[in-house]
Amino acid sequence: GNSVTQMEGPVTLSEEAFLTINCTYTATGYPSLFWYVQYPGEGLQLLLKATKADDKGSNKGFEATYRKETTSFHLEKGSVQVSDSAVYFCALSGSAGGTSYGKLTFGQGTILTVHP
Amino acid sequence: GAVVSQHPSRVICKSGTSVKIECRSLDFQATTMFWYRQFPKQSLMLMATSNEGSKATYEQGVEKDKFLINHASLTLSTLTVTSAHPEDSSFYICSANDAGAGYGYTFGSGTRLTVV
Repeated sequence: GNSVTQMEGPVTLSEEAFLTINCTYTATGYPSLFWYVQYPGEGLQLLLKATKADDKGSNKGFEATYRKETTSFHLEKGSVQVSDSAVYFCALSGSAGGTSYGKLTFGQGTILTVHP
Repeated sequence: GAVVSQHPSRVICKSGTSVKIECRSLDFQATTMFWYRQFPKQSLMLMATSNEGSKATYEQGVEKDKFLINHASLTLSTLTVTSAHPEDSSFYICSANDAGAGYGYTFGSGTRLTVV
């Protein structure tokens, strides 16, 4: 079945530091890949997505590139802010026509804390 | 953008009682909605797929008689936790896909259920 593995957290950074959160996946076919962010006490918000190999998703300074050869979708940001402190989830959705199409499989989440 | 409203955001109930959680797509129609459960400091696990006008599809290990799902219209799905027990205490989140938004899943803000 499908699976998503994220780097272990928590991650603690100083403001303006560079952020990388690793994400690798296992899936058949051509899944779509997502990064979601969850702020304390809230639901999930879509941060960015990529639907095919070599696509780069970007939003709010965050980027991730769909690498099929390494089955990865690492999240990066060049300069983090205190307001970026949250839990980040990598997720995938199975390819169209498959049994897992439309269902999201999540990684375990990575807690990010950014200090001033 | 697509908005999914989930209600209530928090609920406390006594053991043995039932609790209903609503998930509404506010500005789009959703023939399919998904229900997830999140345990503290853990990732989200898909519980079931809610299908408008037909029976829900439950993931392995999820008791369909305990977690009743009804998707009576294109904008509303409900999850009823029946005969709740303390171990049902969790964070429940729904999601729906606004196809017009380009294959992005929108999540509700979640419901924190505490069974005492």
